[in-house]
Amino acid sequence: RKEVEQDPGPFNVPEGATVAFNCTYSNSASQSFFWYRQDCRKEPKLLMSVYSSGNEDGRFTAQLNRASQYISLLIRDSKLSDSATYLCVVNIRNSGYALNFGKGTSLLVTP
Amino acid sequence: DVKVTQSSRYLVKRTGEKVFLECVQDMDHENMFWYRQDPGLGLRLIYFSYDVKMKEKGDIPEGYSVSREKKERFSLILESASTNQTSMYLCASNGASGHEQYFGPGTRLTVT
Repeated sequence: RKEVEQDPGPFNVPEGATVAFNCTYSNSASQSFFWYRQDCRKEPKLLMSVYSSGNEDGRFTAQLNRASQYISLLIRDSKLSDSATYLCVVNIRNSGYALNFGKGTSLLVTP
Repeated sequence: DVKVTQSSRYLVKRTGEKVFLECVQDMDHENMFWYRQDPGLGLRLIYFSYDVKMKEKGDIPEGYSVSREKKERFSLILESASTNQTSMYLCASNGASGHEQYFGPGTRLTVT
């Protein structure tokens, strides 16, 4: 069973649209949650951490549901520059900071 | 500014060759990681290190070894490269108190 699962997409949306990605994780002992962004042929970079109470950063909102073991990312007013792959990331190890990455969800925002 | 560098962006090696991939970080981070990324498989952890001369296996360590002689440098070694090790290799680091991992630009290795 995969530990972190995401819909690979691609999600094709017009500029200005709102788009939501979901991710599920299998280990109930997971402690830390993140969304990373990876542009084509580039390295992943942290987009935002995900907190139990939910958190927002500009047009991006992240939510965590521990009971259902899923994480979501909402992007409002999509821009062309939001086109990328979004990686759901979970720290499922009890020691240290090794991360487990989902395979990513591809987003293409079109004019 | 945070910086993780990798010795090569592109590398072509022959089957059976010994391959060294070098990673250097300038942030005085304790933790360093090696991943490979393949289409349809995502990022998979090969090895990581929490301290100098310390290493731990990740999810797919077979066919790889690592070396961490200095805090800023973490090397990935392919003792005898095989074609199934053709991949994008990404190095990352983070500090003892932080979760954000900073990635290098990656090395695209082709084994022929």
